[in-house]
Amino acid sequence: EAGVTQFPSHSVIEKGQTVTLRCDPISGHDNLYWYRRVMGKEIKFLLHFVKESKQDESGMPNNRFLAERTGGTYSTLKVQPAELEDSGVYFCASSQELRGSEQYFGPGTRLTVT
Amino acid sequence: GNSVTQMEGPVTLSEEAFLTINCTYTATGYPSLFWYVQYPGEGLQLLLKATKADDKGSNKGFEATYRKETTSFHLEKGSVQVSDSAVYFCALITGANNLFFGTGTRLTVIP
Repeated sequence: EAGVTQFPSHSVIEKGQTVTLRCDPISGHDNLYWYRRVMGKEIKFLLHFVKESKQDESGMPNNRFLAERTGGTYSTLKVQPAELEDSGVYFCASSQELRGSEQYFGPGTRLTVT
Repeated sequence: GNSVTQMEGPVTLSEEAFLTINCTYTATGYPSLFWYVQYPGEGLQLLLKATKADDKGSNKGFEATYRKETTSFHLEKGSVQVSDSAVYFCALITGANNLFFGTGTRLTVIP
């Protein structure tokens, strides 16, 4: 069974540009999460999808971030326009059931904004 | 609110040394506690977990006990190996389904 995959693994963009990150969860997992780790700090929750619906987006930092999960399969996270402080590693995770089930993480996308 | 404080790194140990990585938490309600590990070039993997007070999670020689009285979940291993070199994250989850993580501790084990 394939794990959670993320694309790209690394992205370098200039301030003001747009970047789209993609996450493919484990097949059959209804729950999909985005997290972010800014350099040297804790990994922070961004948002949670159940199928195609946003269950919780309380961690989204501002309206420059837009997450979608069309059809309840893969998800994209777009940053537009990117700022320097958006640099970090963006992790995606998926889980099968809601409460108490393990979240399986992807390898992350390292975003560098220059 | 919910938060996790974990031991600052990096930690460098010789092979077969004893490892402790401290983790304390603040939480509303009754959290479940986790240790995740990230090996170089890989995603986060669940290492072990404990869902209630006094539970002990264990895996691959690592152990951690859920201590409600001290709000702690320290990670221990009696004899580390080079292959244990990784970044270790302590985390909790409460009624909402999102994980709260600590800052991570990088462990390097030298032969």
